[in-house]
Amino acid sequence: NAGVTQTPKFQVLKTGQSMTLQCAQDMNHEYMSWYRQDPGMGLRLIHYSVGAGITDQGEVPNGYNVSRSTTEDFPLRLLSAAPSQTSVYFCASSDSLNTEAFFGQGTRLTVV
Amino acid sequence: GQQVMQIPQYQHVQEGEDFTTYCNSSTTLSNIQWYKQRPGGHPVFLIQLVKSGEVKKQKRLTFQFGEAKKNSSLHITATQTTDVGTYFCAGRSNDYKLSFGAGTTVTVRA
Repeated sequence: NAGVTQTPKFQVLKTGQSMTLQCAQDMNHEYMSWYRQDPGMGLRLIHYSVGAGITDQGEVPNGYNVSRSTTEDFPLRLLSAAPSQTSVYFCASSDSLNTEAFFGQGTRLTVV
Repeated sequence: GQQVMQIPQYQHVQEGEDFTTYCNSSTTLSNIQWYKQRPGGHPVFLIQLVKSGEVKKQKRLTFQFGEAKKNSSLHITATQTTDVGTYFCAGRSNDYKLSFGAGTTVTVRA
């Protein structure tokens, strides 16, 4: 049972480049979310989805897009990378809003 | 929007001592969850509290949810080196979002 799988684990981008962080879960969870983790700031919610075809913004959505075409996948797109987007990104899923969230291993992104 | 504040940010503990980390929300929560993240790892779920005044224990860890459902605490007794890591509280309110505190990073002196 793979759980939540994120790819890539590490990525270096140049300012202005675009890329997609992949997230897939095999637990048939309806609820998925993306967080970024920066030192001293905990985990901040970027975007979340309560089911296929439904997405909404979190605390820090600017510069990021998401889509949820299937239950399993929830990719995060950086449209034009900026140094301020240097962070560790975590994808999480849960089967309802009142159960535990399962996190992926994280993607460490550096924008130069 | 909802804000979850967590203190202290750092906790340096002598092995065998006790400590407590505190979590406060600006709004009433429907539930609160606690996670632990080991250095270089990802957050792992510890527990969820739902009821006002609820207390739950996991071995040396005691979790409390305040009567007003706006604050919570995690108390660890007889700290061990395996307790090293960052502990996060995460509160969920009626807008479905799970908001995390900044975390308490625990180091242990042997």
